Amino acid sequence: DVKVTQSSRYLVKRTGEKVFLECVQDMDHENMFWYRQDPGLGLRLIYFSYDVKMKEKGDIPEGYSVSREKKERFSLILESASTNQTSMYLCASSLSPLLAGGGEQYFGPGTRLTVT
Amino acid sequence: SQQGEEDPQALSIQEGENATMNCSYKTSINNLQWYRQNSGRGLVHLILIRSNEREKHSGRLRVTLDTSKKSSSLLITASRAADTASYFCATASFSYSGAGSYQLTFGKGTKLSVIP
Repeated sequence: DVKVTQSSRYLVKRTGEKVFLECVQDMDHENMFWYRQDPGLGLRLIYFSYDVKMKEKGDIPEGYSVSREKKERFSLILESASTNQTSMYLCASSLSPLLAGGGEQYFGPGTRLTVT
Repeated sequence: SQQGEEDPQALSIQEGENATMNCSYKTSINNLQWYRQNSGRGLVHLILIRSNEREKHSGRLRVTLDTSKKSSSLLITASRAADTASYFCATASFSYSGAGSYQLTFGKGTKLSVIP
């Protein structure tokens, strides 16, 4: 079974703090993704990566950055957390090449981040 | 940009009945995927249908894709209480313009309630 793990299930941070969300997958997948999920808005893609050290912006990258130093690990960084970044953050990975549509994604359990 | 839009937003049926959910999208795609999310298991991939396929089955699930109408439907037959969840469609597309552009966009979901 593919396993995608996220460092925390719940996180509470203060406005202005730097926040790191970690994601690890154990199936040697090429592609990794970060989403946020908000009520009424569904899932929105923040960033994705198709190889080590490669990253691409998704639909809502503002206020976020990412890091992929190793194939199995993809980190989401909130440089200066704001209250509008309070959300559920989901990490996913997939194997198939993106130029073929990327294939099925395997999701982690999510991190519910609250910024106060 | 929101690509996939599910319809209806919510659906309530009796156990044993069939449930049909629809998804419409705007631009050409490589594939369309359906996911299920419930509080117990997070987001789980159900089925992927490629742009050159018209119908696909997996157990009690049947997915159709009409690229001329830019729409897809997910049929769950003989529903069970355990099918209660939110269902999302996601459209994947890759274009070779410039350095290449990958998009994966989730809809807002259909909330299915199956009453025992």
